Amino acid sequence: SQQGEEDPQALSIQEGENATMNCSYKTSINNLQWYRQNSGRGLVHLILIRSNEREKHSGRLRVTLDTSKKSSSLLITASRAADTASYFCATPITGANSKLTFGKGITLSVRP
Amino acid sequence: DTEVTQTPKHLVMGMTNKKSLKCEQHMGHRAMYWYKQKAKKPPELMFVYSYEKLSINESVPSRFSPECPNSSLLNLHLHALQPEDSALYLCASSQFLILAGVVPTYEQYFGPGTRLTVT
Repeated sequence: SQQGEEDPQALSIQEGENATMNCSYKTSINNLQWYRQNSGRGLVHLILIRSNEREKHSGRLRVTLDTSKKSSSLLITASRAADTASYFCATPITGANSKLTFGKGITLSVRP
Repeated sequence: DTEVTQTPKHLVMGMTNKKSLKCEQHMGHRAMYWYKQKAKKPPELMFVYSYEKLSINESVPSRFSPECPNSSLLNLHLHALQPEDSALYLCASSQFLILAGVVPTYEQYFGPGTRLTVT
């Protein structure tokens, strides 16, 4: 069963704007991961945030994790047309930590 | 080298055909995965191999048969597929370590996928 649920389902913004995507999950986790998928391609790992971390940065990406609310957010600053893609949060399955479950995904469109 | 390669990129097969998908990585990862992804859906896990042994089978029909001949290669053998099996098949790999009896979750590296069409 799915653990993570992203919000919103779809997001359309102008180039240069910031994009914020949210993920909620149901059970305790030891980390949460974000992936990007360009249309019809494989997934690319963006960032992994551990349960004892509250915020993590990677280039134009900023991820937060609130374990008390069981939620995470992915912020992409100064978006570019090349950021157009689907974004998934993924969490480990309890008791099977080599196994990830993916949320339904968010479709981000960045208009040039 | 952080690349996972998959061949072929596209495959069209009839319901009576036998074909194989191939995946290769040279990152020294000891966990390898097969996922199936339908359009506008998240990837669904099919199989996990750790140290070349099948560790997870997500109740996948026997017409899909995985094989891990060595630590770098992963195959998915296909036989008597149905049209509903048409999808993007993704291979991934990750580190696999057991630390004090716990298996931490590492990031997964995905290949570009094989687009499979069953006619």
